[in-house]
Amino acid sequence: AAGVIQSPRHLIKEKRETATLKCYPIPRHDTVYWYQQGPGQDPQFLISFYEKMQSDKGSIPDRFSAQQFSDYHSELNMSSLELGDSALYFCASSPYRGQGGYTFGSGTRLTVV
Amino acid sequence: SQQGEEDPQALSIQEGENATMNCSYKTSINNLQWYRQNSGRGLVHLILIRSNEREKHSGRLRVTLDTSKKSSSLLITASRAADTASYFCATDSYSGAGSYQLTFGKGTKLSVIP
Repeated sequence: AAGVIQSPRHLIKEKRETATLKCYPIPRHDTVYWYQQGPGQDPQFLISFYEKMQSDKGSIPDRFSAQQFSDYHSELNMSSLELGDSALYFCASSPYRGQGGYTFGSGTRLTVV
Repeated sequence: SQQGEEDPQALSIQEGENATMNCSYKTSINNLQWYRQNSGRGLVHLILIRSNEREKHSGRLRVTLDTSKKSSSLLITASRAADTASYFCATDSYSGAGSYQLTFGKGTKLSVIP
C-alpha cells in the first residue's frame, strides 16, 4: 500500500540558507500535517492543510511557510535557517481533516551547520 | 501546546519483563494513540483507543484509557530487546471548524536489556 512520501530524507544546509521539504500524502488523503521533532524532543505540530487551504497553525516560526498544491502534495519552506532548526520534520496525511486517522512519513532530517 | 505528559521519561527492564508507560492529558479527546519511534527514525502507529473505550489489546500491547482521570497506560508484556525504542502517546482532539489535530506527549524511552 502506498505510504506518505517525504523528500529529501536528509538535508544539510548552512545558517541563513533556505530549505524546501516535500510531502506526498496517501492517495485520496486531502489533509496534510507538518511536525517538527528536535533532538530528544516530542514531535511539535507546525501547520496543517485541508483541501489546499491552511487548516490549523501550531508553533510554526514566521520564517517558515507551507502550502498544499492541487495534487495535495505539500511543501514546507524554511528561510533564514538557524542552528535550532536542526530537527526531524514529519509529514502526516489523513482523509478529511483527521477524522480518518493519520499516517506518518519517514521524515526529513534537516541539519543546519 | 503540550497535551500529553508521559511517565516515566525513561524505563530500563530485563527481557521478558512487562513494561508500563503512562500518559496524562489535559483536554477532551476524540481518541488517544500510541506511537513507537526507534532512534532518529519514523513514527510507527501502534494502537488507537477511542474516547468511549476503556481497554484495547493488540498482540503483546494493552492500552487502557480513563477519561475521568485524563490518563492512559500502555503495557508491553513479555518484552523483547527489539522493543527498545521511544514510545509516545498522542491525543486526537477537535481543534475547531471541523478539524482534528494530533498532539504528542514527551515520550518514554524504553530500554530492554537482553
